[in-house]
Amino acid sequence: ETGVTQSPTHLIKTRGQQVTLRCSSQSGHNTVSWYQQALGQGPQFIFQYYREEENGRGNFPPRFSGLQFPNYSSELNVNALELDDSALYLCASSLWSGENTIYFGEGSWLTVV
Amino acid sequence: QKEVEQNSGPLSVPEGAIASLNCTYSDRVSQSFFWYRQYSGKSPELIMSIYSNGDKEDGRFTAQLNKASQYVSLLIRDSQPSDSATYLCAVSDNTNAGKSTFGDGTTLTVKP
Repeated sequence: ETGVTQSPTHLIKTRGQQVTLRCSSQSGHNTVSWYQQALGQGPQFIFQYYREEENGRGNFPPRFSGLQFPNYSSELNVNALELDDSALYLCASSLWSGENTIYFGEGSWLTVV
Repeated sequence: QKEVEQNSGPLSVPEGAIASLNCTYSDRVSQSFFWYRQYSGKSPELIMSIYSNGDKEDGRFTAQLNKASQYVSLLIRDSQPSDSATYLCAVSDNTNAGKSTFGDGTTLTVKP
């Protein structure tokens, strides 16, 4: 139990729709990173938020966007869903952006049909 | 070519044996190296982190780093069936573990 909670745990969306995934970071953690993990692959870095500002972004198109709130919880939004967006979306929190230990939530399984 | 390469496996070892997992990376500026364990259907959990050349031991786990060869490995001694999982290697170009690049993992099966 890492103290990082994600919702929803599973969801099914139709191609072209939009989805919002949510993450509550561990108490006291001000940094949240989002990863996409397709089946049989390792997690891929989407972006990181530190104190409500984006602090780096991976190779993902602009239809992947995020937010971090004053309580350091975070959202990942994906517009115009494509079939290849089907994956496990992982949120990880850390004490600060230079922290070498991150704690993953259990993830949100997204299926796009 | 992927930035972080791992043998996909599966790697199968008998209970009590040593399991050896390997990882190579392409970015020479990488500074931080991590091994995560991921059970099927679960999220990754950090096992070891290593930053300097040489060995780092933690219980039954030993991480080895060779920056000149751009190589990092994980040894699991006295393997147990509960060690059966996918092991992910991750690297970061600074201490910010949240921006890591992951390999695709090696699946380990420990047979009783």
